Amino acid sequence: NAGVTQTPKFRILKIGQSMTLQCTQDMNHNYMYWYRQDPGMGLKLIYYSVGAGITDKGEVPNGYNVSRSTTEDFPLRLELAAPSQTSVYFCASSYWEDGNTIYFGEGSWLTVV
Amino acid sequence: AQTVTQSQPEMSVQEAETVTLSCTYDTSESDYYLFWYKQPPSRQMILVIRQEAYKQQNATENRFSVNFQKAAKSFSLKISDSQLGDAAMYFCAYRSAGAGGTSYGKLTFGQGTILTVHP
Repeated sequence: NAGVTQTPKFRILKIGQSMTLQCTQDMNHNYMYWYRQDPGMGLKLIYYSVGAGITDKGEVPNGYNVSRSTTEDFPLRLELAAPSQTSVYFCASSYWEDGNTIYFGEGSWLTVV
Repeated sequence: AQTVTQSQPEMSVQEAETVTLSCTYDTSESDYYLFWYKQPPSRQMILVIRQEAYKQQNATENRFSVNFQKAAKSFSLKISDSQLGDAAMYFCAYRSAGAGGTSYGKLTFGQGTILTVHP
C-alpha cells in the first residue's frame, strides 16, 4: 500500500524561486492536510481540504497556495520562497468517518538559501 | 486558541525502566481529543495513543498509557518496559471535537520531547 506519497523528499531553493510539493494518496480519503515542522518544533497546519474543490487556510498559510482538483492529489505551491520557509513539510490525509486516524507522508525537506 | 505545552525538552530512561512524558494544554472547550505521536529519526509521524476527553478512563496501548487529568488539563504519557526502539521525539497534540468533521486534522502540537533510551 502506497498510503500518502510526497515528492520531492529533498529540495534546495534559492530565495525568490517558486516550487510545488506534490502529495497524493491512494486511500480515497476526503480530508487532506499540509503541515510544516520547523527545527525543534511541533507541526503547524498550513492548509487543509475536505474534498475535491474545497480548501481552507490553517494556522500558517502565508506564502503558500493549494489546490484540490481530485480526491487523490493535494499539491502545495510555494511562491517567492523565503528563508523562513525552510522546514520539513508533511502531507497527511484522513477518512471522513475517522478524523482521529491521520496518515502522514514521510515528509519533504525544503531549504531556502 | 488552544495551546499545548511540553515542558521537558529532553528525557532519558534506562532500557526496561519506566518513563513519563508531560503535557499540559489550554482550552475553553469541553469536548476534544488528545494524542501522543512518536517521530523517530526517519521523521515519520506515528500515532502512539489517543484519548477522548469525554472518557474518564485513561487510554492504554500495550506498554503505553496515559494519565489524563481533565480538570488540571494534563495529559502525560507513561512508557513501561522501555525499549531501544522507543527512542524518538514525542509530540503531544490536541484536536477540537468540532461538529461534522470541521476539526479533522486540525491538530495543535506541543514542541516535543526527545526521549533517549540507554541500554
